[in-house]
Amino acid sequence: GQQLNQSPQSMFIQEGEDVSMNCTSSSIFNTWLWYKQDPGEGPVLLIALYKAGELTSNGRLTAQFGITRKDSFLNISASIPSDVGIYFCAGRFMNRDDKIIFGKGTRLHILP
Amino acid sequence: NAGVTQTPKFRVLKTGQSMTLLCAQDMNHEYMYWYRQDPGMGLRLIHYSVGEGTTAKGEVPDGYNVSRLKKQNFLLGLESAAPSQTSVYFCAGSRRGFEQYFGPGTRLTVT
Repeated sequence: GQQLNQSPQSMFIQEGEDVSMNCTSSSIFNTWLWYKQDPGEGPVLLIALYKAGELTSNGRLTAQFGITRKDSFLNISASIPSDVGIYFCAGRFMNRDDKIIFGKGTRLHILP
Repeated sequence: NAGVTQTPKFRVLKTGQSMTLLCAQDMNHEYMYWYRQDPGMGLRLIHYSVGEGTTAKGEVPDGYNVSRLKKQNFLLGLESAAPSQTSVYFCAGSRRGFEQYFGPGTRLTVT
């Protein structure tokens, strides 16, 4: 089946550092989405991207829709303890308005 | 607004028992989804609905059934629970199918 490859699987960083994670696909997507999941909760939408090359920010978070439409990245600047959690990318196929597929997530750990 | 809510939050079943998970939303979402989340597997789509009275299979539909009799509710049924169905189940709703809003999850253990 279709897959999203999300990397890295986990990251250990120092508080204050910048973070970068990405997602790649063998298929072209019309939409890329980034979600964050806190322990014991459901995923929360962070950023949605709709056009190739689009760069969108949400506070300290910045995400980009790759030019090839097969990849996306998420950057977090100046990480803080509440950034801990699992970050998921998700993509919507062309001509499919009804569903998206998710990557397996990047688990972010922040060392004090 | 409560958003997307799920009932129950936790449940323990014995193999072969049946149960229904309820998802309710007050956000006027047309689309609703059921996912399961297992360690290292991300979110996998079980079934979904693009409107009242409609349902469709997702990536891992076997062993589950769903119904969407009212727009605001989406039910997930397990007719004969198996240990492989031990998981955390998430419901989500969406107006357009891709910006999905998730409930808090139901943690199910099948012994």
